[in-house]
Amino acid sequence: GNSVTQMEGPVTLSEEAFLTINCTYTATGYPSLFWYVQYPGEGLQLLLKATKADDKGSNKGFEATYRKETTSFHLEKGSVQVSDSAVYFCPRVGELVFGKGTKLTVNP
Amino acid sequence: DTGVSQDPRHKITKRGQNVTFRCDPISEHNRLYWYRQTLGQGPEFLTYFQNEAQLEKSRLLSDRFSAERPKGSFSTLEIQRTEQGDSAMYLCASSLTGINIQYFGAGTRLSVL
Repeated sequence: GNSVTQMEGPVTLSEEAFLTINCTYTATGYPSLFWYVQYPGEGLQLLLKATKADDKGSNKGFEATYRKETTSFHLEKGSVQVSDSAVYFCPRVGELVFGKGTKLTVNP
Repeated sequence: DTGVSQDPRHKITKRGQNVTFRCDPISEHNRLYWYRQTLGQGPEFLTYFQNEAQLEKSRLLSDRFSAERPKGSFSTLEIQRTEQGDSAMYLCASSLTGINIQYFGAGTRLSVL
């Protein structure tokens, strides 16, 4: 069946550092993949998505590429800011499971 | 489009009391979801509706929990005889059938004393 494995945190970085949060999946076919973000005190919001293999989703400087050869959808950002401090979720495909997420803290 | 709204944002209650939360989804969205989130954890699925029909319920949804969506628009989540373990953030989300993007509200934070 479908599953997603997300790197658990926490992750602590200095401002302007490079960020990678790993997410790998197993699925039948090539389903849509998502990253959600939850800022402190708020609900989750969609950060980016990719609907087919080799698609790249991007938003707010974050990117993730749907790589079928490595079955991965890693989240990356070249230069993080303090305002990126949040919890990031790579939910299980087609199911209502978000996991614990990865908590990112960016220090000035 | 004002997004998903939840009311109240915060609720403090005493153990044994009943509480009810409301969720107003994005107007054209036919699916509505309820989740519970405790500190340091991700959202845990409770139940979801397609229009007014409740299609799936988690085992987390004990007999003290009931959710309704009578007209296929807003939904209510009621917890009877609250327990301290019910203290959590209750999140609502909505989506369109066939589009797997869920839009979340800001949540209702419940504290049971």
